[in-house]
Amino acid sequence: DAKTTQPPSMDCAEGRAANLPCNHSTISGNEYVYWYRQIHSQGPQYIIHGLKNNETNEMASLIITEDRKSSTLILPHATLRDTAVYYCIVRVDRGSSNTGKLIFGQGTTLQVKP
Amino acid sequence: DTGVSQDPRHKITKRGQNVTFRCDPISEHNRLYWYRQTLGQGPEFLTYFQNEAQLEKSRLLSDRFSAERPKGSFSTLEIQRTEQGDSAMYLCASRDSLQYTQYFGPGTRLTVL
Repeated sequence: DAKTTQPPSMDCAEGRAANLPCNHSTISGNEYVYWYRQIHSQGPQYIIHGLKNNETNEMASLIITEDRKSSTLILPHATLRDTAVYYCIVRVDRGSSNTGKLIFGQGTTLQVKP
Repeated sequence: DTGVSQDPRHKITKRGQNVTFRCDPISEHNRLYWYRQTLGQGPEFLTYFQNEAQLEKSRLLSDRFSAERPKGSFSTLEIQRTEQGDSAMYLCASRDSLQYTQYFGPGTRLTVL
């Protein structure tokens, strides 16, 4: 699975959009981009995933560049409860021999400030 | 739809003791994962089950660690002769066979004194 690079930390003002970048320049054509977050002392929470099209759900939007070498997770109106570590993971979602295990990096610690 | 549950949530033990953790996946999820997370690090994969078969084990899973999923439903992770280095959060996740999205439980925090 391709490696990802994320900034170690970011701040965001409450009510503003939080834009979290992820670089995955070695991504291959069949690899998906997944985002999870982990609020302190809790298990990781799935946010969103995509292959090449932009995706949106009730939690966030995922913007993937046309060359797929980077992506941005957007939390449109950040609240204090969005303070967490955000992980960007790239993974193949095909193949009977693929166990689907996740390989986490260090993630980005997002601090939402009042 | 209840989520993944883990028991206990916290465990404090003395070095050398054995501990066992339980994970109940989302019902009808036939794939189950265990991860370990130490302070300040992202979770690390330990092992994977498809139904009752353990199909992959990480090198992190030393011979003191054993995991089972006897009927393809709940799973247990046992650590024998615990060491201080085993102190970590142990996370369980599950998914179904059609989707690759994993859903995590709240974790079991182990402290070895």
